[in-house]
Amino acid sequence: GAVVSQHPSWVICKSGTSVKIECRSLDFQATTMFWYRQFPKQSLMLMATSNEGSKATYEQGVEKDKFLINHASLTLSTLTVTSAHPEDSSFYICSALGQGYNYGYTFGSGTRLTVV
Amino acid sequence: KNEVEQSPQNLTAQEGEFITINCSYSVGISALHWLQQHPGGGIVSLFMLSSGKKKHGRLIATINIQEKHSSLHITASHPRDSAVYICAGLSNSGYALNFGKGTSLLVTP
Repeated sequence: GAVVSQHPSWVICKSGTSVKIECRSLDFQATTMFWYRQFPKQSLMLMATSNEGSKATYEQGVEKDKFLINHASLTLSTLTVTSAHPEDSSFYICSALGQGYNYGYTFGSGTRLTVV
Repeated sequence: KNEVEQSPQNLTAQEGEFITINCSYSVGISALHWLQQHPGGGIVSLFMLSSGKKKHGRLIATINIQEKHSSLHITASHPRDSAVYICAGLSNSGYALNFGKGTSLLVTP
């Protein structure tokens, strides 16, 4: 079945540094990638939607200059948390929407970000 | 108020029990997803349905569009079923999913 590889699975970084999270669709093309954030005991909250080759659409309240999304190819999307702060500590997960035979949502395994 | 509500929030069952998790939504959706999130965080899509009923192994999902309600059933539950189960509605207007808060299931031996 369709697989989305997300890396890293966890990362600890210092305040002020930037962290890049990658999501790669294996064996299928993801025209649309969704990025979510999940705080403990909370539901997944959509941060942004990215389509290959175009600018991401950010949800209200999500700073596009802080959470940089790049979807340069049909198999790779990246989320960069810039100038991270402790309040950015969260679980970030991507979901790729495939087409045709692979239609459906495939989730990455998530990235646990801790900013110290 | 979340547009997708799940119940119960937490559920403990003994191995072998029949389990039901409910999901209600308040807005129009084109499809409803049931997802399973393991303790490490990874999410697996279990079902996507827009009408009727689907079955996969010991899992059954039903949906009633008129009543805006869906249920996930697990027959002959097993400790390995312990996870958080999330329902998510796919809005009529786009591709984004609207998630419930999840039901944390613990199946004890």
